Amino acid sequence: EPEVTQTPSHQVTQMGQEVILRCVPISNHLYFYWYRQILGQKVEFLVSFYNNEISEKSEIFDDQFSVERPDGSNFTLKIRSTKLEDSAMYFCASSWDRGAEKLFFGSGTQLSVL
Amino acid sequence: ELKVEQNPLFLSMQEGKNYTIYCNYSTTSDRLYWYRQDPGKSLESLFVLLSNGAVKQEGRLMASLDTKARLSTLHITAAVHDLSATYFCAVAGKADKLIFGTGTRLQVFP
Repeated sequence: EPEVTQTPSHQVTQMGQEVILRCVPISNHLYFYWYRQILGQKVEFLVSFYNNEISEKSEIFDDQFSVERPDGSNFTLKIRSTKLEDSAMYFCASSWDRGAEKLFFGSGTQLSVL
Repeated sequence: ELKVEQNPLFLSMQEGKNYTIYCNYSTTSDRLYWYRQDPGKSLESLFVLLSNGAVKQEGRLMASLDTKARLSTLHITAAVHDLSATYFCAVAGKADKLIFGTGTRLQVFP
């Protein structure tokens, strides 16, 4: 089965530093998402992206966050100045259509902000 | 605003027993998902339910949807240890974002 690939699997950074989390969605997919999960808590929506623009974003996705699809294959999440509370597992997901029955999740990047 | 509530939060079951996890949501949606998550791992898709009365079964797990009551259930039949994991329901909201429930941490013991 095709997979969504995320790198790195673990990222440790100092507070205030910029991080970029990378995702390679499934090749024919058009809709892309980032979710995050703080340890022991539920999964939270961050942002959805289609046709090179943000479709929807949550309150968590403030000015410190940005997404882009720079080269038609990678889908990145950038956090400009990390805070301690940004420590979480970040999941990328993709689907081929809106309302698609299956949303494919990547294996996640564990971000630790010290 | 779409809210999703799941209960119980924790479930400790003996092998061979049956139990049900409940997922309530606050506003109309056209899709409800069930996911399994093992510790430190990603989300594994179990079921997607699209219409009122939908029922899907895979092995010892069966999911159902009542859109009028805004309720989905995940029923576990004759639990085995391999089913130990955290189970999330998620409801599709605006722009296809998924709103997740709080999760049910299931532990099956001999």
